[in-house]
Amino acid sequence: EAGVAQSPRYKIIEKRQSVAFWCNPISGHATLYWYQQILGQGPKLLIQFQNNGVVDDSQLPKDRFSAERLKGVDSTLKIQPAKLEDSAVYLCASSLAGSSNEQFFGPGTRLTVL
Amino acid sequence: AQSVTQLGSHVSVSEGALVLLRCNYSSSVPPYLFWYVQYPNQGLQLLLKYTSAATLVKGINGFEAEFKKSETSFHLTKPSAHMSDAAEYFCAVRDTGGGNKLTFGTGTQLKVEL
Repeated sequence: EAGVAQSPRYKIIEKRQSVAFWCNPISGHATLYWYQQILGQGPKLLIQFQNNGVVDDSQLPKDRFSAERLKGVDSTLKIQPAKLEDSAVYLCASSLAGSSNEQFFGPGTRLTVL
Repeated sequence: AQSVTQLGSHVSVSEGALVLLRCNYSSSVPPYLFWYVQYPNQGLQLLLKYTSAATLVKGINGFEAEFKKSETSFHLTKPSAHMSDAAEYFCAVRDTGGGNKLTFGTGTQLKVEL
């Protein structure tokens, strides 16, 4: 089966610009996650969707970050405006619905903010 | 809040030697614990998970981990390292809130030398 797809794989922008990342989860996976992985740190959950509803966005910097999953399948994560400290790898993961199901990760998008 | 601590950001072993990657957890309730591996420019892949059944958990690629409540540890081991094991390894704990949220450690970079 196809895995979690993400695009672009790499993005370089200047601070104060905006950027968007796209994620296509594994078919049939109701739950989708966005993680931020800063160099030298473990991934940190930004937002979790169950179908098209938000389950947890407690660590999402809502003044500049937004995410949506309008049809309960694909998702986009946007940063506007970007700051230097947003440089990181943004990982998307998906899982079947339920609290004990394995999360499958995409390859990530590496963002560099200059 | 639950958390995990990984001791040693870098570990180097010789090919054929024992691999030991350390993880200690902090949790007020029996935790669900995970080990993930991340190869360069790839997403995370689940190695194994502890879900309160057997304390010795076997995973993929010859890895295993033992849950020790008395030591609050969940160390990852492999009897004989292979060059292909070189990667970054993350320990994670699942949130007890029921949302399948994972909190990751800071990671351990494993280097395997000839």
